Amino acid sequence: NAGVMQNPRHLVRRRGQEARLRCSPMKGHSHVYWYRQLPEEGLKFMVYLQKENIIDESGMPKERFSAEFPKEGPSILRIQQVVRGDSAAYFCASSPRASGQGTDTQYFGPGTRLTVL
Amino acid sequence: GNSVTQMEGPVTLSEEAFLTINCTYTATGYPSLFWYVQYPGEGLQLLLKATKADDKGSNKGFEATYRKETTSFHLEKGSVQVSDSAVYFCALSAQGGSEKLVFGKGTKLTVNP
Repeated sequence: NAGVMQNPRHLVRRRGQEARLRCSPMKGHSHVYWYRQLPEEGLKFMVYLQKENIIDESGMPKERFSAEFPKEGPSILRIQQVVRGDSAAYFCASSPRASGQGTDTQYFGPGTRLTVL
Repeated sequence: GNSVTQMEGPVTLSEEAFLTINCTYTATGYPSLFWYVQYPGEGLQLLLKATKADDKGSNKGFEATYRKETTSFHLEKGSVQVSDSAVYFCALSAQGGSEKLVFGKGTKLTVNP
């Protein structure tokens, strides 16, 4: 059973371009989470999605960032008109279900390192 | 809001030394608590967890006890190995929340032979 897959592992963009980060959850997992790790910081929650639904986007910046998890295919985190401050490692995690008590393990992917020139 | 504070690193130890990485939290209710480990170039892996007060999580020789009275979840290992070198993250998931994890900043551990 393959783990959580993220691609690309490294992404370089110039200011103003778009960045698309992809996450394929573990087989059988229908819950996806995105986190961002800025240099010298811990991971910060961005968004929680189930298939075709955004459940919690309280950590998403209000502009330029969007996320989706379609019925078919990977989850996509999209950053429009990137700025240097978007340079970070973006991690995706998946879990099989939500228990409501925070007890289900989240399995993390290897991350995408975004560099904005 | 909810937050996690963990001991800043880096921490450097010799093989077979005793390890403690402190972690305290702020949260309402009864959060679940986790330790994750990140090896170089890899994603985070769950090391251990505890879901209620006085629970002890353990795995691979690591232990942490959920202390409600001190709002702490310190990570310990009696005898570290070179292969334990990694970054360790303490995290919580709030009770009744959307399962999102709130992380500390991470502690880098280096174990020398």
